[in-house]
Amino acid sequence: DTGVSQDPRHKITKRGQNVTFRCDPISEHNRLYWYRQTLGQGPEFLTYFQNEAQLEKSRLLSDRFSAERPKGSFSTLEIQRTEQGDSAMYLCASSLNNEGETQYFGPGTRLLVL
Amino acid sequence: AQKITQTQPGMFVQEKEAVTLDCTYDTSDPSYGLFWYKQPSSGEMIFLIYQGSYDQQNATEGRYSLNFQKARKSANLVISASQLGDSAMYFCAMREGRGGSNYKLTFGKGTLLTVNP
Repeated sequence: DTGVSQDPRHKITKRGQNVTFRCDPISEHNRLYWYRQTLGQGPEFLTYFQNEAQLEKSRLLSDRFSAERPKGSFSTLEIQRTEQGDSAMYLCASSLNNEGETQYFGPGTRLLVL
Repeated sequence: AQKITQTQPGMFVQEKEAVTLDCTYDTSDPSYGLFWYKQPSSGEMIFLIYQGSYDQQNATEGRYSLNFQKARKSANLVISASQLGDSAMYFCAMREGRGGSNYKLTFGKGTLLTVNP
């Protein structure tokens, strides 16, 4: 059973450029989450999908951020017109809808905006 | 108010000794779940252990155990027989509500554990 995968693992971009990250969850997991982690902090929730439906977006997610999960499988997170404050680790997690509902995380995408 | 508080920014332990990492939480929801994750320098968050609010016994997973004191709202992680590979950041997290009715995790700021040879 493969774990959660994310691509790319690292991204360096210039301010103002658009970037897109991909997350492939564990195959049978119907829930998918995006978190952002800045230096010295724990991850913060950004958004959540159940199957293909995006059910919640955090206030942290400005209009420049958009996430999709077509067909309820992989997900993409796009940041438009990147700013230096977007530099962070972007973590994806997935879970199965059950009592414990443990979220399993991918390796993350480290974004650096110059 | 902080929902998850980890008061130890850093901890040191000798190899083969046990160590306790502290976590206190704040919620008014009677149903919640508590999680511990390990984050090595590579960045991946590795799930270690889970405790549900209605679980009668403390959770254990190999060398990891969770000292759950509900009245004190604490969920400390105990690592027995520390190994050099245990050196990492450790995060405590909480999910409020029953699984299926809520989902997002709230994390603490973490504790950096260093295991000395």
